[in-house]
Amino acid sequence: NAGVTQTPKFQVLKTGQSMTLQCAQDMNHEYMSWYRQDPGMGLRLIHYSVGAGITDQGEVPNGYNVSRSTTEDFPLRLLSAAPSQTSVYFCASSYRVGSEKLFFGSGTQLSVL
Amino acid sequence: AQSVTQLDSQVPVFEEAPVELRCNYSSSVSVYLFWYVQYPNQGLQLLLKYLSGSTLVKGINGFEAEFNKSQTSFHLRKPSVHISDTAEYFCAVRGSQGNLIFGKGTKLSVKP
Repeated sequence: NAGVTQTPKFQVLKTGQSMTLQCAQDMNHEYMSWYRQDPGMGLRLIHYSVGAGITDQGEVPNGYNVSRSTTEDFPLRLLSAAPSQTSVYFCASSYRVGSEKLFFGSGTQLSVL
Repeated sequence: AQSVTQLDSQVPVFEEAPVELRCNYSSSVSVYLFWYVQYPNQGLQLLLKYLSGSTLVKGINGFEAEFNKSQTSFHLRKPSVHISDTAEYFCAVRGSQGNLIFGKGTKLSVKP
């Protein structure tokens, strides 16, 4: 099992550009989520999904879109990148929402200039 | 609403010394608490969890935590730390919708 795979590992964007961060898991997990990690802020939930076709907003959803067309994939789209979106992004999954253990990807470091 | 507060942003200790990383929580529903560890340039890994039962929870790598309902705390402890324990530690509480709500993290720095 590969676990949770995130791509790319690093990305530099210019303000206004759009891009998609990819996340895939091969554990048949129902629950998937995106967090952003900023120094001194911990991890903040952006969006999450409890199953294919179902998504919901977390604490900081503005400027991001998600979709869940399959159980395995949960891409995060930045519609028009802003410097405030410079951060490290983590995808995480678990068997179901509220499960005891989240499995994290290795992160995507995004810089918006 | 659920929340966690990690009282120390950085904790420096010497190797083989004991350490305590402090976490206080706020929750209006059943309390489920977690500690995660993040090694440099990696994602987070579950260290231990409290769901119910014994208030003393043992985790991996010799860490343990004690759930204290009266003090709304879930402090993480290790009696003797190693250089390899240098990492950032996150306390988390399960929110009402099942998502994890993380604290701001505590950076543990173990010095030789």
